[in-house]
Amino acid sequence: AQSVTQLGSHVSVSEGALVLLRCNYSSSVPPYLFWYVQYPNQGLQLLLKYTSAATLVKGINGFEAEFKKSETSFHLTKPSAHMSDAAEYFCAVSAHGSGNTGKLIFGQGTTLQVKP
Amino acid sequence: EAQVTQNPRYLITVTGKKLTVTCSQNMNHEYMSWYRQDPGLGLRQIYYSMNVEVTDKGDVPEGYKVSRKEKRNFPLILESPSPNQTSLYFCASSPDTLLYNEQFFGPGTRLTVL
Repeated sequence: AQSVTQLGSHVSVSEGALVLLRCNYSSSVPPYLFWYVQYPNQGLQLLLKYTSAATLVKGINGFEAEFKKSETSFHLTKPSAHMSDAAEYFCAVSAHGSGNTGKLIFGQGTTLQVKP
Repeated sequence: EAQVTQNPRYLITVTGKKLTVTCSQNMNHEYMSWYRQDPGLGLRQIYYSMNVEVTDKGDVPEGYKVSRKEKRNFPLILESPSPNQTSLYFCASSPDTLLYNEQFFGPGTRLTVL
């Protein structure tokens, strides 16, 4: 079975500062990992995904994430935060298992606050 | 524009009054799914459908029903809503169940059951 843990339910950074949102996963098989962003009153939008092609994955809006198998981590980073990055971020893993159901297993979410 | 739509976006109802939340996608996706989002719990899958007339339970199916009579539509039915079903609901679709596929989410339906 797979699981995802996001460390820190709230992260606050200053505009222009580094953004680091932490995600650790548990999976007995090679995982497919995703980061989604949820802006206020909107649905989830894909930021990036890891599908084993490359360990450093670049996404939209300047975000990137690095897959580290030894640390079972898939942390999301952005070099310089912008006010428009304020949102809730979800890390997710595709659920493997007998009879693939297409389910995503989500972490608890991290709310990013960006201060002027 | 490729999208998943949900209606209504907001709903306040009372215990026991049957309701339906509609979901429609225009991308000809085979796979559709419903999730609920609760603070501190992330999103949890309620039901999913791999194709027309094929539906199955997710992790939290109690108190919900679904149907998939057409490829584009996947309504969520609460026959007798209870306060513990107060939540934010998302419909999602994907071309198929391949593990690396992105899922496309609707804008969400915020449901309050009094």
